[in-house]
Amino acid sequence: DQQVKQNSPSLSVQEGRISILNCDYTNSMFDYFLWYKKYPAEGPTFLISISSIKDKNEDGRFTVFLNKSAKHLSLHIVPSQPGDSAVYFCAAISNFGNEKLTFGTGTRLTIIP
Amino acid sequence: NAGVTQTPKFRVLKTGQSMTLLCAQDMNHEYMYWYRQDPGMGLRLIHYSVGEGTTAKGEVPDGYNVSRLKKQNFLLGLESAAPSQTSVYFCASSAGGVNNEQFFGPGTRLTVL
Repeated sequence: DQQVKQNSPSLSVQEGRISILNCDYTNSMFDYFLWYKKYPAEGPTFLISISSIKDKNEDGRFTVFLNKSAKHLSLHIVPSQPGDSAVYFCAAISNFGNEKLTFGTGTRLTIIP
Repeated sequence: NAGVTQTPKFRVLKTGQSMTLLCAQDMNHEYMYWYRQDPGMGLRLIHYSVGEGTTAKGEVPDGYNVSRLKKQNFLLGLESAAPSQTSVYFCASSAGGVNNEQFFGPGTRLTVL
């Protein structure tokens, strides 16, 4: 049972435009969410996070939006740059047992120059 | 700081062989994790540890064992490798806390023939 879902395996976006990556979750006990970015042959690196008490968190070109009622979050990258081409994983933490992350299946983002 | 390192980077095993993957971190983190990444499956937690001398099962623990004899090291063992264990293995560590940001190693690509 996939508790964190990224339904788009891949996404292509023109350089300079906005990239929107989506993530849905089913476990209502999740109360903290993170996005990780992964380049080929490297480990994932932390990108941005959001607590369930917020609906938006912004860090430079990256903004994460959380809609708790819909159990949905999204990562916006604007403007998109070629270096943003990577696989993006959404992850969630439960308020019970916050030592573990539950990851989604990932979305491969390709920025077209 | 080297962060999180993994040894080896690549390995090819025959079915039934055993091996140990080593993870080391120099950030004095309490928590350490082993994940496997397979196409379309995201990152799945194998085992984790919340401190020296402790281990716990994750989502896909069967066929693997772990040990955390020293705080900085987390070992993943395969006693009798199977082709289904062909994967990329990532180690991660974190200081815990509300957001539990995890820092990942570069990965080990394991092929079981």
